[in-house]
Amino acid sequence: DAKTTQPPSMDCAEGRAANLPCNHSTISGNEYVYWYRQIHSQGPQYIIHGLKNNETNEMASLIITEDRKSSTLILPHATLRDTAVYYCIVSLWVNTGTASKLTFGTGTRLQVTL
Amino acid sequence: GAVVSQHPSWVICKSGTSVKIECRSLDFQATTMFWYRQFPKQSLMLMATSNEGSKATYEQGVEKDKFLINHASLTLSTLTVTSAHPEDSSFYICSAMRQNKNIQYFGAGTRLSVL
Repeated sequence: DAKTTQPPSMDCAEGRAANLPCNHSTISGNEYVYWYRQIHSQGPQYIIHGLKNNETNEMASLIITEDRKSSTLILPHATLRDTAVYYCIVSLWVNTGTASKLTFGTGTRLQVTL
Repeated sequence: GAVVSQHPSWVICKSGTSVKIECRSLDFQATTMFWYRQFPKQSLMLMATSNEGSKATYEQGVEKDKFLINHASLTLSTLTVTSAHPEDSSFYICSAMRQNKNIQYFGAGTRLSVL
């Protein structure tokens, strides 16, 4: 699986948009970009994933560059409850039913402040 | 939807005893479940991949005789830490992959403390 690079930490004011970058310059054509977050002492929470098109759901938006070498997770209106470690992970999507592994890096610690 | 329940949430045991952790997918069937371990201030490390009805696949360096995994049904996988020692104290987290979705949904984790 391709390696990802994320800034170790970021701050964001409550109510503002949080933009979390991720570099994955060695991503291959059949690898998806997944975002998870882990709030302290809990299991990771799935946020969103995408291949090459931008994606949006009720939690966040995912913007993937045209060359797919980087992406940005956007939390449109951050709240204090969004304070967590955010992981950007690149993983294969295998349609044969074989599950793909997730390799967690160190992520970005997002601190949302008043 | 996509709820994964993990039990117990924390356990304290004496050195030498065995501890069983359960992972259940409550509202979906999971052909594959994963077990991770997380030490303080570190990231999650995959221990093993468990497929329903077959033997688990362990990551390099993980002792399969120490960490017994059973995945007997499409909604339940168990991890048994046998003869636990203080160095096994960690945060154990399971995940379940929703069929044909290739998204892993995680349990809340089990904090194991071995005295």
